[in-house]
Amino acid sequence: AQSVTQLDSQVPVFEEAPVELRCNYSSSVSVYLFWYVQYPNQGLQLLLKYLSGSTLVKGINGFEAEFNKSQTSFHLRKPSVHISDTAEYFCAVTDGGFKTIFGAGTRLFVKA
Amino acid sequence: GAGVSQTPSNKVTEKGKYVELRCDPISGHTALYWYRQSLGQGPEFLIYFQGTGAADDSGLPNDRFFAVRPEGSVSTLKIQRTERGDSAVYLCASSPGGATPLTDTQYFGPGTRLTVL
Repeated sequence: AQSVTQLDSQVPVFEEAPVELRCNYSSSVSVYLFWYVQYPNQGLQLLLKYLSGSTLVKGINGFEAEFNKSQTSFHLRKPSVHISDTAEYFCAVTDGGFKTIFGAGTRLFVKA
Repeated sequence: GAGVSQTPSNKVTEKGKYVELRCDPISGHTALYWYRQSLGQGPEFLIYFQGTGAADDSGLPNDRFFAVRPEGSVSTLKIQRTERGDSAVYLCASSPGGATPLTDTQYFGPGTRLTVL
């Protein structure tokens, strides 16, 4: 069975600092990987997705993620965060079935 | 165009009552998903519709939960004999569907917060 582990429940960081949100998955087959963001009082929004090809995926708002098959990881990074990046971030995986499995989320808090 | 909408935004009910939660997907999207998000958790898959049919309902927790999509657009999630443990935010998402629904971007609604007293 698939599962997703987001290693940090909360990540505080100062504005303009780099950030990495960690995600590990388990699956016995090839997977598709996603990062979603949920801003306060808004619905989930796709940041980026890995389907195949290049392991470095670029998304919206300056975020990128790298798929590492050997480490079964899909960490999200941004070189310089803004106050407006404060939100909850969810990593998700699907193995080609209809079910998408989400992690528990990481709350990113950007401080001035 | 309009995004995914869900009504009501909040629903408070008493234990044992019946509730219906509605989802209006983006026009033209054939794939529709329901998720449940408990406090401090990520969304948990409930059911997936392709058109009018439920292609995967393996996430429905028990037979008190049922969902329909009779005309392939609006969907209703129905919960009978509600329990306090059903309290959560219920999310709906839609995607274009077609040949590759599994890799489509899902567009989420704002959710319905259900509280069972």
